Amino acid sequence: EGQLVESGGGLVKPGGSLRLSCAASGFTFSNAWMNWVRQAPGKGLEWVGRIKSETDGGTTDYAAPVKGRFTISRDDSKNTLYLQLNSLKTEDTAVYYCATTGGTYWGQGTLVTVSS
Amino acid sequence: EIVLTQSPDFQSVTPKEKVTVTCRASQSLGNNLHWYQQKPGQSPRLLIRYTSQSISGVPSRFSGSGSGTDFTLTINSLEAEDAAAYYCHQSSSLPYTFGQGTKLEIK
Repeated sequence: EGQLVESGGGLVKPGGSLRLSCAASGFTFSNAWMNWVRQAPGKGLEWVGRIKSETDGGTTDYAAPVKGRFTISRDDSKNTLYLQLNSLKTEDTAVYYCATTGGTYWGQGTLVTVSS
Repeated sequence: EIVLTQSPDFQSVTPKEKVTVTCRASQSLGNNLHWYQQKPGQSPRLLIRYTSQSISGVPSRFSGSGSGTDFTLTINSLEAEDAAAYYCHQSSSLPYTFGQGTKLEIK
């Protein structure tokens, strides 16, 4: 059974940076296209971006609100997905989930709070 | 960007009732429409993929249908444990998007 475990969330000031991690187990991570999805408090789900598998090019795509500020990367040797968050804004406050494309596996989420 | 509009936003329903949630897309999705259930404090759970494909472990009372721009999630004989928010999600084109969600309350 596959599992995803996020970490790295916390409180950060506007303009600050944070790096989230997502550790994968129980499935072939290197073959998986991976996504980040976020959910602001009391709100719905918002797709943040994805990264293809290295064999499919390893390219990334982002939602407009985060493009240029967030970067998704992966380390297949560590079965880990990353989300680098820069130039954070208060509206980036959310629970951040990693998930496989196709939605089979989701992590439990990690809370990022952007506040002065 | 493809906009997904769900209806209703909220519904209060009684156990054993049949529930229908609809999702309308701003452009054709083919069959690239998926449904998720999210209970408070939990991660989303995939219920239906590619419009109507069932998922192992998901009760058979959940089913999906539709094509193009109009899709439906049906819950037959609702149970108390189905109290949750339900989201449609499209993977037809980037950026991927979600519907705004439908909250089901059990009377």
